[in-house]
Amino acid sequence: KQEVTQIPAALSVPEGENLVLNCSFTDSAIYNLQWFRQDPGKGLTSLLLIQSSQREQTSGRLNASLDKSSGRSTLYIAASQPGDSATYLCAVQGTYKYIFGTGTRLKVLA
Amino acid sequence: EAGVAQSPRYKIIEKRQSVAFWCNPISGHATLYWYQQILGQGPKLLIQFQNNGVVDDSQLPKDRFSAERLKGVDSTLKIQPAKLEDSAVYLCASSLEQDGYTFGSGTRLTVV
Repeated sequence: KQEVTQIPAALSVPEGENLVLNCSFTDSAIYNLQWFRQDPGKGLTSLLLIQSSQREQTSGRLNASLDKSSGRSTLYIAASQPGDSATYLCAVQGTYKYIFGTGTRLKVLA
Repeated sequence: EAGVAQSPRYKIIEKRQSVAFWCNPISGHATLYWYQQILGQGPKLLIQFQNNGVVDDSQLPKDRFSAERLKGVDSTLKIQPAKLEDSAVYLCASSLEQDGYTFGSGTRLTVV
């Protein structure tokens, strides 16, 4: 059974810092891994999608890497801004469909 | 391309009342999902449709929840009767094969 864990559960950093969010999964037989952002009480916004054959994806200040063999993905946020404050969720898709982690609540202080 | 549309955005009902949520997926997306997200938790899959057929409804509380996807496009999720613990954000998503999910804005349900 696939399990997805995100560490840390919460993170508070000053504006301008580079930061790393971690996602680990127990079954490496995945089709893809997707990072989402969620603002309080809102839906999920897709940030980056990494197919199983890819190692990383980049979008603006965001970079996500995937290491299937170790069951890990990291989301790197460069030069963090207060507007980045949100919950970040990773989800892995396999034959068991999408399994979500519980998220990392990020707060960037001005 | 238009996103996944959900309505209503918010709903407040009393326990034992019924409620329905609507979702219109991205055009051409065969797979549609309903998720329940309780505050502080990750989304939990309630039901998955492939076109208008149910692929997985193993976590759907069938004594009170029902869902349908007529003609393989729009979908409705119904709760009858609602309980206090049903208070959550109900998320609809659609996907095209293995191209990742696109989520709607969600419906926040409060049961009082």
